[in-house]
Amino acid sequence: DAGVIQSPRHEVTEMGQEVTLRCKPISGHDYLFWYRQTMMRGLELLIYFNNNVPIDDSGMPEDRFSAKMPNASFSTLKIQPSEPRDSAVYFCASSFHDVTIYFGEGSWLTVV
Amino acid sequence: DAKTTQPTSMDCAEGRAANLPCNHSTISGNEYVYWYRQIHSQGPQYIIHGLKNNETNEMASLIITEDRKSSTLILPHATLRDTAVYYCIVKEAGTALIFGKGTTLSVSS
Repeated sequence: DAGVIQSPRHEVTEMGQEVTLRCKPISGHDYLFWYRQTMMRGLELLIYFNNNVPIDDSGMPEDRFSAKMPNASFSTLKIQPSEPRDSAVYFCASSFHDVTIYFGEGSWLTVV
Repeated sequence: DAKTTQPTSMDCAEGRAANLPCNHSTISGNEYVYWYRQIHSQGPQYIIHGLKNNETNEMASLIITEDRKSSTLILPHATLRDTAVYYCIVKEAGTALIFGKGTTLSVSS
């Protein structure tokens, strides 16, 4: 299996621009998670879905962040407008029946 | 509040066993103990998990005390590639992993 696939792997964007991060979970998995990691705050849960339905979005920082899962094989995390403090590594992860959660390699975002 | 307490850092000689402790004194009956690790710049990697029995797989062993208030992850023969941050997490089924600060394990030759 190819594992959790995230794109882009690296992105540099200017403040105020829209950023879209993409995730393809492992086929057959029914849970999908978005995390953010910074040196200051460590690994933080942003949102997670079960069967394409958001279960807990209490970690989403503010209205500038939104996440969607239109089908079982694709999810997006959007930041609009982006700010320098959004610079971080964003991880997507998936699992089947919440047993073992597998992480992607992350999307490294820099907002200048 | 963090549900687990781990030492900030530990050192281990290559080839020796690495024993990483974790305190989870407020664990509830339906919470599992999970261990993940994160090697620099990579996504977190699953190691092992358990409910109340000791568990072993190809990567490690998990020893959970009878009262379930603490556990130990054992890497039987540590290598340089085991240098990473190790996270001990307790969670119920159907919920997400909530990461603390973890233990930075440094394996040296």
